[in-house]
Amino acid sequence: DVKVTQSSRYLVKRTGEKVFLECVQDMDHENMFWYRQDPGLGLRLIYFSYDVKMKEKGDIPEGYSVSREKKERFSLILESASTNQTSMYLCASSLSRLTDTQYFGPGTRLTVL
Amino acid sequence: AQTVTQSQPEMSVQEAETVTLSCTYDTSESDYYLFWYKQPPSRQMILVIRQEAYKQQNATENRFSVNFQKAAKSFSLKISDSQLGDAAMYFCAYRSAKETSGSRLTFGEGTQLTVNP
Repeated sequence: DVKVTQSSRYLVKRTGEKVFLECVQDMDHENMFWYRQDPGLGLRLIYFSYDVKMKEKGDIPEGYSVSREKKERFSLILESASTNQTSMYLCASSLSRLTDTQYFGPGTRLTVL
Repeated sequence: AQTVTQSQPEMSVQEAETVTLSCTYDTSESDYYLFWYKQPPSRQMILVIRQEAYKQQNATENRFSVNFQKAAKSFSLKISDSQLGDAAMYFCAYRSAKETSGSRLTFGEGTQLTVNP
């Protein structure tokens, strides 16, 4: 069974803190994605990765960075958290560039105070 | 760039009735894929149905079917015999068929569906 896990369901951080959101998939998928979900805006792509140590900017990469040192793990980093980064963060993975089914994690609701 | 629009922020339906959720998209490409995802209160996104643009036949998955109008760039989801478990946020999504797109999805704003007993 396909499984994507995220390190926290809920997270509260203070402005200026460095925040790490972790995502792990156990399906040997090549592609991994980080989305941000906000009411009325749907899901917006922050970054994605085709392979280990590779990354591509999505539609809203400003204020974020990512790391993919191992195939199964994709980390989203907020270098200096700000209140406008309070949101739901969803991780997803898919088998390869040629496949389209994305499998999602349960999401992390991040609050920045 | 492609855009996806869901003009109905909220919809409601009586149990056992039929409801249709609307989605329109804008693209200059001729080959692409369209999806409907469901996000229940558990927040776990689930793929409901998938449509390939080069196929004229509308996709169907049990009680879920789509009305795909390529010329009109419209992709609506019909849920028949609605059940309480269908209550969720529904997202329409677009994916280019170009390999360079990297299977990235573009999502609409979402439609919150309430099912009344």
